[in-house]
Amino acid sequence: KAGVTQTPRYLIKTRGQQVTLSCSPISGHRSVSWYQQTPGQGLQFLFEYFSETQRNKGNFPGRFSGRQFSNSRSEMNVSTLELGDSALYLCASSLISGRNSPLHFGNGTRLTVT
Amino acid sequence: GQQVMQIPQYQHVQEGEDFTTYCNSSTTLSNIQWYKQRPGGHPVFLIQLVKSGEVKKQKRLTFQFGEAKKNSSLHITATQTTDVGTYFCAGRSVGNEKLTFGTGTRLTIIP
Repeated sequence: KAGVTQTPRYLIKTRGQQVTLSCSPISGHRSVSWYQQTPGQGLQFLFEYFSETQRNKGNFPGRFSGRQFSNSRSEMNVSTLELGDSALYLCASSLISGRNSPLHFGNGTRLTVT
Repeated sequence: GQQVMQIPQYQHVQEGEDFTTYCNSSTTLSNIQWYKQRPGGHPVFLIQLVKSGEVKKQKRLTFQFGEAKKNSSLHITATQTTDVGTYFCAGRSVGNEKLTFGTGTRLTIIP
């Protein structure tokens, strides 16, 4: 079974631009979560989607948004990029949403904002 | 909001020595999960603990969940170079489905 696939692997953008990241979950997984990983802040929860609905949201500004499609694939969008948005963005899928579901992470998209 | 802290932040050990990382939550957890992230890689799920006082073993790794369900530990016996990486705990507060990751402990092994 294929793992979680994230595209692209690397991105370089300039301040003020916007970016869209894509995540394809493991086949059969209906929950997709997004995390931002930086050396200083660790793994920060962005949001979780299940059956095309946002279930939970972290403490990020409205510039960060996401969505999930009927095939469970998910995208996240960051508008008006800032230098501090440079990070590794990790997507994780799980079979269901909820407390007993381990997360399966993709390799991430490394975003650099200049 | 919920905070999950891990200590130590970094640990350097000689190969063959033991290693322990501790995880402390500001709130009572419904469960705790542990993940390992190798350098340059992504977090990989290791185990989940659900019951108060639960202890689980995976070969040289021993995981414990505290009686009050607010802390957890991971102990590695006789470390090997393959144990290198950052170990994260992650927990969900009771009544909150959001999974919060700990700050992580980076383990390096001196051969």
